[in-house]
Amino acid sequence: GQNIDQPTEMTATEGAIVQINCTYQTSGFNGLFWYQQHAGEAPTFLSYNVLDGLEEKGRFSSFLSRSKGYSYLLLKELQMKDSASYLCAVLDSNYQLIWGAGTKLIIKP
Amino acid sequence: GAVVSQHPSWVICKSGTSVKIECRSLDFQATTMFWYRQFPKQSLMLMATSNEGSKATYEQGVEKDKFLINHASLTLSTLTVTSAHPEDSSFYICSARSLEGAGLQETQYFGPGTRLLVL
Repeated sequence: GQNIDQPTEMTATEGAIVQINCTYQTSGFNGLFWYQQHAGEAPTFLSYNVLDGLEEKGRFSSFLSRSKGYSYLLLKELQMKDSASYLCAVLDSNYQLIWGAGTKLIIKP
Repeated sequence: GAVVSQHPSWVICKSGTSVKIECRSLDFQATTMFWYRQFPKQSLMLMATSNEGSKATYEQGVEKDKFLINHASLTLSTLTVTSAHPEDSSFYICSARSLEGAGLQETQYFGPGTRLLVL
């Protein structure tokens, strides 16, 4: 079956760095997405990786290793507004998005 | 990035009525749109894939006669919840597929969601 694993919840301190991991087992791979979702709102696109390596975009970076079925989202200089759920999703061979359950990130002052 | 709008953002209706939700891609054409449902504290669940000019593909367990999807143009898809009941109360989110850049990188852009409450 298809499976995406990410931690349920993480806590970090304002100004610090946090890494949210995602491992996946899917039928085919056409890219991996990270989305941010604040409570009660729709997800917003953060990043897309299809090749191995690190993609940096401001305070957020996303890494992919296709051979290991592994990705992480790195958030630097954490701000209180970064408190949200972070969703990992993989585009499978049928171009369908397979969603992880999301990681709830709690930022403490 | 591209913008996807949804209307309405909030719906409160009586049990037995039908509700139509619109999803529009505002600055790009989307041959494929997706409809998701999200219950509180749960992950997004794909309901159906909507392709312009053809019938939608529904996920297992989703009643096609209850959730009518029409994708009449490259910028508009509609979801109609027919004869809504309280258990249909949920957060409905659409997304539109966009192919961008020289490498035609695929990205999905999400609408802001529609919160449906059936009394």
